[in-house]
Amino acid sequence: KNEVEQSPQNLTAQEGEFITINCSYSVGISALHWLQQHPGGGIVSLFMLSSGKKKHGRLIATINIQEKHSSLHITASHPRDSAVYICAVDNYQLIWGAGTKLIIKP
Amino acid sequence: EPEVTQTPSHQVTQMGQEVILRCVPISNHLYFYWYRQILGQKVEFLVSFYNNEISEKSEIFDDQFSVERPDGSNFTLKIRSTKLEDSAMYFCASSTPSGSWYRKWFFGPGTRLTVL
Repeated sequence: KNEVEQSPQNLTAQEGEFITINCSYSVGISALHWLQQHPGGGIVSLFMLSSGKKKHGRLIATINIQEKHSSLHITASHPRDSAVYICAVDNYQLIWGAGTKLIIKP
Repeated sequence: EPEVTQTPSHQVTQMGQEVILRCVPISNHLYFYWYRQILGQKVEFLVSFYNNEISEKSEIFDDQFSVERPDGSNFTLKIRSTKLEDSAMYFCASSTPSGSWYRKWFFGPGTRLTVL
């Protein structure tokens, strides 16, 4: 069983839609990361969460430590948001989810 | 904002050749990591490095792999005799112990290794 599960694996939406990507984990963690990977391959850190909620522009990340679950939301999605979004948990070293491939169509 | 850098961005090599992938972590960080991502698969942990020695390594990190911090700034991953299945994107990361109980992570842009 994977220690970090993401859903959905793939998501295609129209520009402007509200996007939710989910992450569940089964191990104890000190923090959870949401990361973005563009087709070129580079990884950008979006959020690091240990509790509650964080917001940055149109991106919102929440975490429920008791339920071992986190969500990444994108409001007013745009084609430039198209990327792979990865959840990774800090369990001394990072344990990575498989990623969610998001495509936003104009 | 500080950044982790990696060179080269793309390396093409023949099977059996040695390659060295280079990373320059954030200068005051203490923990360093190598991860790899085979095309279409998820990112996998290779090795962590602290206080000039390996602190943890995965099953992938066999005798063909080695890491070192030769000059206090660079952090290198060497693959002694590359195999076709070593073709992947290799990411370097560094993190710092903060006053809190979690660490802040910074990732390099990756080196795409192609073994022919």
